Amino acid sequence: EIVLTQSPATLSLSPGERATFSCRASQSVSTLLAWYQQKPGQAPRLLIYDASNRATGVPARFSGSGSGTDFTLTISSLEPEDFAVYYCQQRSNWVTFGQGTRLDIK
Amino acid sequence: QVQMVQSGAEVKEPGASLKVSCKASGYTFTTYYIHWLRQAPGQGLEWMGWIYPNTGGTNYAQRFQGRVTMTRDTSISTAYMDLSNLRSDDTAVYYCARDLHPWQVLRLFDSWGQGTLVTVSS
Repeated sequence: EIVLTQSPATLSLSPGERATFSCRASQSVSTLLAWYQQKPGQAPRLLIYDASNRATGVPARFSGSGSGTDFTLTISSLEPEDFAVYYCQQRSNWVTFGQGTRLDIK
Repeated sequence: QVQMVQSGAEVKEPGASLKVSCKASGYTFTTYYIHWLRQAPGQGLEWMGWIYPNTGGTNYAQRFQGRVTMTRDTSISTAYMDLSNLRSDDTAVYYCARDLHPWQVLRLFDSWGQGTLVTVSS
């Protein structure tokens, strides 16, 4: 099983700041990595797929990069609605998710 | 618009079986793979498997094989997930989710149901 490790566990930032999330895979997943956003009491929302492709309707402030084992999700300038939990997911070998990074308001 | 509407919360005893439904609307039901995932309280996401409504074909995650069965009724655009021999660690919110593109199993989860809370307790 491919293990995805996300860091940090919690990120505390203010609106307008830049947020950077990391996801590291235990073996190469090529670019078959996605990012999801989940708010309390809601289902996850697909943000980025295949490492760098924004899903339909996702604002341009969200971007993804990486390949192989190291991936990054960046939010260029935080909006109030961006404070949530973010998960990475690989689909190279079955499906696994990272444990999530919580983005809190500082 | 695409909607996935799941059945309501359930409380089950250990050893019992569970059936969750997921009614799809806003698109052609038979053209997209549907996945089932779950999320234990305060935990991350776990993928359980998929069903292709066009053929009824399924693929289950190894840890659920033998305990999970996914079916569909194309006449009412509804997918079902059965989980047997429930244990306390099956307590979770169960989600159905549609794959991103038609006719392909991409394992990208685009449109989600609202979730069904299942509590397993004696």
